[in-house]
Parts: sequence; C-alpha cells; structure tokens
Amino acid sequence: DSGVTQTPKHLITATGQRVTLRCSPRSGDLSVYWYQQSLDQGLQFLIQYYNGEERAKGNILERFSAQQFPDLHSELNLSSLELGDSALYFCASSVDGLAGATGELFFGEGSRLTVL
Amino acid sequence: AQKVTQAQTEISVVEKEDVTLDCVYETRDTTYYLFWYKQPPSGELVFLIRRNSFDEQNEISGRYSWNFQKSTSSFNFTITASQVVDSAVYFCALSEGNYGQNFVFGPGTRLSVLP
Repeated sequence: DSGVTQTPKHLITATGQRVTLRCSPRSGDLSVYWYQQSLDQGLQFLIQYYNGEERAKGNILERFSAQQFPDLHSELNLSSLELGDSALYFCASSVDGLAGATGELFFGEGSRLTVL
Repeated sequence: AQKVTQAQTEISVVEKEDVTLDCVYETRDTTYYLFWYKQPPSGELVFLIRRNSFDEQNEISGRYSWNFQKSTSSFNFTITASQVVDSAVYFCALSEGNYGQNFVFGPGTRLSVLP
C-alpha cells in the first residue's frame, strides 16, 4: 500500500460527459502528479501540483483540468469526454516537488475510465 | 527534449532464466535521475530503484541488479533466476534538472515468466 488513495477505481461513462477523479496523497506529501496510461500512449505525464499551485504541465488536453486543494487532495476533471480518453489515470505523490531529485513517486492504484 | 526508450516490448522467459531489460535515455542535462518501476497485473506502480547521474556504481538487490552506463546512456535492469511473480510490465523513467522535474516514463517492457 503506497498510501496514495484514488477514487473511483472504475468509472464508465458516455461520450460528451464530464467526470472528476480524486486523489489523496500520502500523509505529509505536498506534491501531486497526474498520469494517463493508455494502451497506445504508455504513461503520459499530465500535470503536477505542489502545495496547491501548479508546478509543471505535460500533455494535458484543454478539456482536462486539475487542482489541488488546501488539504492537499487533488482532483482531475475530464470534460467533453471522447472514446480516446478511456485510460487508466494514475495519481502519484512525493514529499516535495522534487521527486526526481529527492526520491521516488508513490503511485495510487489508478482510476480506470471507460468512455462508451 | 528528454526521452526514454525501452526497445523490448515483450519478453518471455522460463522460470529460473536470467533476463535483462534494456533502457536507453536521452537528455541534455548533466543532472538527472533514472528510475525503474514495476507494474504487476494488479495495476499499481511499484518503485524499484532510483539512480542519479553522478553515481554510476552498479547496484544489486537480491535477484535484481542495475547497470548504469553514461557512455551509452543506458540503465539496464537484470533479474537473475526469474520467478513467475516477476511477471509484470517494467518501466524505466527519467527526471531532469536539479529539481527532478519532468518525470518521463519509457513505454515499458512486458515480462512474462513461464513456469
């Protein structure tokens, strides 16, 4: 158990809909990262937050947005969903925003999104 | 831009065989960090090892060993005497800079260890 909690574990929805994925980082971790894992794209970095502020942005679509709240949990919002958005969405946390320099990323079990 | 290549998409071995998973990276930074993660069938990502660019010493942890060679930009992972429980997708990852930003994963290698 990494200590990172993601909900829901599974989600099935229709094209055009909007969903919210939630992540609670490990206790004490200030930074949250979101990754998308699809069959043809591998693990793609979406966005990172550190202590409530956006720290880095990857290949995140404009239809997607995220935020980190004062209690450090994070939400990833996916809107106008398309079939190609079906993927496993991982959240990871690290104690600071320097995951590579100071240690590892701790990953949650992921939220599997299926868009029909 | 940074890049991680894992040329082996899938590997199958028979239990007790040794297997090496290749990882080649590209970066312009002199300070960077390399990682290996394991993703078993259950789906979670499990940290295996972290290496910084200034430490080329190879590492052994039980049946696992890692060979870091800056001259060839490679960070290969060997499992000795493989076991069925080693079956998983293995990801090599790279983060750059003094702050370890831009954490990028390779495409992964699916390892199947057959009994």
